[in-house]
Amino acid sequence: DSGVTQTPKHLITATGQRVTLRCSPRSGDLSVYWYQQSLDQGLQFLIQYYNGEERAKGNILERFSAQQFPDLHSELNLSSLELGDSALYFCASSPRTGGSTDTQYFGPGTRLTVL
Amino acid sequence: AQTVTQSQPEMSVQEAETVTLSCTYDTSESNYYLFWYKQPPSRQMILVIRQEAYKQQNATENRFSVNFQKAAKSFSLKISDSQLGDTAMYFCAFGAGNMLTFGGGTRLMVKP
Repeated sequence: DSGVTQTPKHLITATGQRVTLRCSPRSGDLSVYWYQQSLDQGLQFLIQYYNGEERAKGNILERFSAQQFPDLHSELNLSSLELGDSALYFCASSPRTGGSTDTQYFGPGTRLTVL
Repeated sequence: AQTVTQSQPEMSVQEAETVTLSCTYDTSESNYYLFWYKQPPSRQMILVIRQEAYKQQNATENRFSVNFQKAAKSFSLKISDSQLGDTAMYFCAFGAGNMLTFGGGTRLMVKP
């Protein structure tokens, strides 16, 4: 158990809908990262927040957005869902600002299925 | 941008034997870390080992060790005394800036 929690574990929804994935980092960690794991794209970095502020952006679609709240939990919002958004979404956390020195610890993931 | 390549999509090994998983990367960064993560059938991403690029000494964690060849940009994982619980997908990852870049993974099957 990494100490990172994600809810829900599974989510099934329809095309065009909007969903919210939630992540709580390990106690004391200030950085939260979101990754998408799909069959065709592999594991891809989406976005990072550090202490409430966006710190780095990867291959995140405009239909997707995220935020980190004062209690440091984070939410990833996915809207206008398409079949291709079906994937496993991971949250990871690390103690500091990130950077190459930080080890990221992953949560169990949220499996999103878009029908 | 960094790229990470794992050239072995699938491998198998007999229980108690040793297996080596390959990883190469391409980068212009000078300050970076390298990681191996394990993803068992439960889909959880579990950190196996990490290597600081500035260290010449190869990292070791119990039965897991790496062979880090910085000039060749190679970072292989050796698993000794393989156990059935080692059956999983193994991902090599490059850490620089604020993100991890992952390879495509190697599926390892440990056979009894």
